Amino acid sequence: EPEVTQTPSHQVTQMGQEVILRCVPISNHLYFYWYRQILGQKVEFLVSFYNNEISEKSEIFDDQFSVERPDGSNFTLKIRSTKLEDSAMYFCASFSGQSNTEAFFGQGTRLTVV
Amino acid sequence: AQSVTQLGSHVSVSEGALVLLRCNYSSSVPPYLFWYVQYPNQGLQLLLKYTTGATLVKGINGFEAEFKKSETSFHLTKPSAHMSDAAEYFCAVSSSGGYQKVTFGTGTKLQVIP
Repeated sequence: EPEVTQTPSHQVTQMGQEVILRCVPISNHLYFYWYRQILGQKVEFLVSFYNNEISEKSEIFDDQFSVERPDGSNFTLKIRSTKLEDSAMYFCASFSGQSNTEAFFGQGTRLTVV
Repeated sequence: AQSVTQLGSHVSVSEGALVLLRCNYSSSVPPYLFWYVQYPNQGLQLLLKYTTGATLVKGINGFEAEFKKSETSFHLTKPSAHMSDAAEYFCAVSSSGGYQKVTFGTGTKLQVIP
């Protein structure tokens, strides 16, 4: 069964450092998303990406965040200067665009900012 | 706009007892509805989904949910709880259109007492 793959599974970074979280969506999917889950809290939408541009972003997704699909297969989330409060599980998801189907989620990257 | 309300952040049941986790949704368009399960320090696993058709949907591990449009509900049930069901459960909604931004509820932590 096709799946969304995220790397790394766990990343530790120092405050102020840049971090890039990587995702390989399902190959024929058209829509891509990042979500965040702070420990013990609910999963929150960050951003959606379609046709090589951001289609929607939440207020969490400020100027410190950016997304990119650099090579037609990877989908990345960059945090420019990490803060302690960026520590969370980050989930990537992709969706084919076909009706009666759902978005598929990756297993997540746990980001710890120290 | 869409939203999900999960009643009860913590639910405890005895092993073998009925599991009932409540979810109400709000959506301005016909919704797609989901239940996800999350075990500690792990990713999201799709338990079941409603898109169209039969309103009673069956999922993995003996869980099922019923879409009730008149009550805007999508409660999750399992006739007999097992110790391995202890986890956090998230109800989620997305639009039935071609763009699937998923909105999650705040989660219900299920404890199973031996």
